[in-house]
Amino acid sequence: GDSVTQMEGPVTLSEEAFLTINCTYTATGYPSLFWYVQYPGEGLQLLLKATKADDKGSNKGFEATYRKETTSFHLEKGSVQVSDSAVYFCALSDKDAGGTSYGKLTFGQGTILTVHP
Amino acid sequence: NAGVTQTPKFQVLKTGQSMTLQCAQDMNHNSMYWYRQDPGMGLRLIYYSASEGTTDKGEVPNGYNVSRLNKREFSLRLESAAPSQTSVYFCASSAMRGVGGELFFGEGSRLTVL
Repeated sequence: GDSVTQMEGPVTLSEEAFLTINCTYTATGYPSLFWYVQYPGEGLQLLLKATKADDKGSNKGFEATYRKETTSFHLEKGSVQVSDSAVYFCALSDKDAGGTSYGKLTFGQGTILTVHP
Repeated sequence: NAGVTQTPKFQVLKTGQSMTLQCAQDMNHNSMYWYRQDPGMGLRLIYYSASEGTTDKGEVPNGYNVSRLNKREFSLRLESAAPSQTSVYFCASSAMRGVGGELFFGEGSRLTVL
């Protein structure tokens, strides 16, 4: 079945440091890949997504590139801020060869990021 | 914009009690989902409803039932709560199959079973 594996956390950085959170996946079809972010006390919200190989998703200074050859979707940001402190989830939604999503998301275990001033 | 609304936000139950978590979305989405979030395990799908009138089991359905009351509402019921069901529950919705798979989440319901 589908699965997503994220790097173990928690991750603690100083402001303006470079961030990488690793994510790898297994899927039987042609998945879309997502990064969701959960701020304290809130639900998850979509950070970025990529729907096919070599696509790059980007938002709020975060980027991730869909690498089919390494089955990876690593999240990066060049300079983190205190306000980026949150839990980050990698997820996939598998779809068939025609591009129709099966409609369910499979999540990784989440990575807690704490950024200090 | 309300988006996805869940009630209650907090609940404490005793083992064996029953309760229903309510979820409503105002985005005219076809699909709705219930996930539970536990430390170190990410989110796991309990049940989902691909469209009004259908429901299917997810990864961890045991001990739960669901009802898709209409297009807007999708409830999750615990008939006899157990301590293992202590968790944070999230309802989510998506527009339709084939549209990128993006989900929109509620703020969560924190359930403690003593």
